Amino acid sequence: NAGVMQNPRHLVRRRGQEARLRCSPMKGHSHVYWYRQLPEEGLKFMVYLQKENIIDESGMPKERFSAEFPKEGPSILRIQQVVRGDSAAYFCASSIMTGTGSFEQYFGPGTRLTVT
Amino acid sequence: DAKTTQPNSMESNEEEPVHLPCNHSTISGTDYIHWYRQLPSQGPEYVIHGLTSNVNNRMASLAIAEDRKSSTLILHRATLRDAAVYYCILKRDDKIIFGKGTRLHILP
Repeated sequence: NAGVMQNPRHLVRRRGQEARLRCSPMKGHSHVYWYRQLPEEGLKFMVYLQKENIIDESGMPKERFSAEFPKEGPSILRIQQVVRGDSAAYFCASSIMTGTGSFEQYFGPGTRLTVT
Repeated sequence: DAKTTQPNSMESNEEEPVHLPCNHSTISGTDYIHWYRQLPSQGPEYVIHGLTSNVNNRMASLAIAEDRKSSTLILHRATLRDAAVYYCILKRDDKIIFGKGTRLHILP
């Protein structure tokens, strides 16, 4: 059973370009979460999605960042007009159910974004 | 979200048990106690979780105090591969709020 898959694993973008990060949840999981880890800092929640719905985006920066989880295909985290401060590791996680604290999340290997 | 307190770092010798403490004095009745770990250059990894009773799985054991204000993650026989940052988290809904965790060093 394949785990959470993320691609690309490494992404280099110049300032002002767009970055698209993809996440395929574990088989049978319909809930996806995105987290960001800045260099030498902790993990921060960004957004939680179900198929075709954003449930909680309280951790998303107000501008340039967006996320989607379409009916078919992977979840996408999109960063427009990247700046050097966006350089970080972006982790996706998935879970089978939600609604309470009793369900664990499974994380992907992350996408390491470097903005030059 | 209720807060957890963990030591910044701990050391243990290889092949010995490790007890990682966590205080969560403001825990509420609906908070589950979760532990995750993050190995160097990898994504976080689920370890174990519980509500009131002690829990065991193939990776570790979780001992929860009777008043639930503290818990201990137990690695029964540490290996070098267990060197990681261990996060104790109180989870009552969907998202995980990570703290700073405990950096565990394993000495060969």
